[in-house]
Amino acid sequence: AQRVTQPEKLLSVFKGAPVELKCNYSYSGSPELFWYVQYSRQRLQLLLRHISRESIKGFTADLNKGETSFHLKKPFAQEEDSAMYYCALRSEETSGSRLTFGEGTQLTVNP
Amino acid sequence: KAGVTQTPRYLIKTRGQQVTLSCSPISGHRSVSWYQQTPGQGLQFLFEYFSETQRNKGNFPGRFSGRQFSNSRSEMNVSTLELGDSALYLCASSQTRYEQYFGPGTRLTVT
Repeated sequence: AQRVTQPEKLLSVFKGAPVELKCNYSYSGSPELFWYVQYSRQRLQLLLRHISRESIKGFTADLNKGETSFHLKKPFAQEEDSAMYYCALRSEETSGSRLTFGEGTQLTVNP
Repeated sequence: KAGVTQTPRYLIKTRGQQVTLSCSPISGHRSVSWYQQTPGQGLQFLFEYFSETQRNKGNFPGRFSGRQFSNSRSEMNVSTLELGDSALYLCASSQTRYEQYFGPGTRLTVT
């Protein structure tokens, strides 16, 4: 079985401070990891995926298979980063798009 | 392109009734997935349809069912509603396994 854990339900930082949203997963096969974000009154949307190794809106995430983690980081948080962030896992062994989500972290960036 | 649309947006039903929710994917997307979102359980995968066939199924009772039509539109049905079925039901469509596009959701309240 696969499982995604986001240990912090709430995270509050000040503008300009670094931010790290933690994500740990449990899966014996080859995972594909994603971060999805939901801004206030907007739809859930993809932020980034580990396979792309990209930086989106200043956020990066590195898949650490040894520690089974995929933490999301940004060096200087902005107020517009305030949102709900979900870490999600897809099994490479499974066809299709099925995602297992963590419970989410509500990030608040204070002015 | 128009985004994923879901109808109705809000629904109130009584225990024991049944309900049908509808999802129209982005044009050209052949995969449609359904998720249930609740405060206690977070986002949980219900099922995925691809080319009118169920490709993946989550751990939900048989009261939850779905189907997909030849135009990729999808419906999900919940029979014999229980209070615990109150949730936001999200539909997502995708063209590849690397990104899902979510709809606004249908808020179901069971009284």
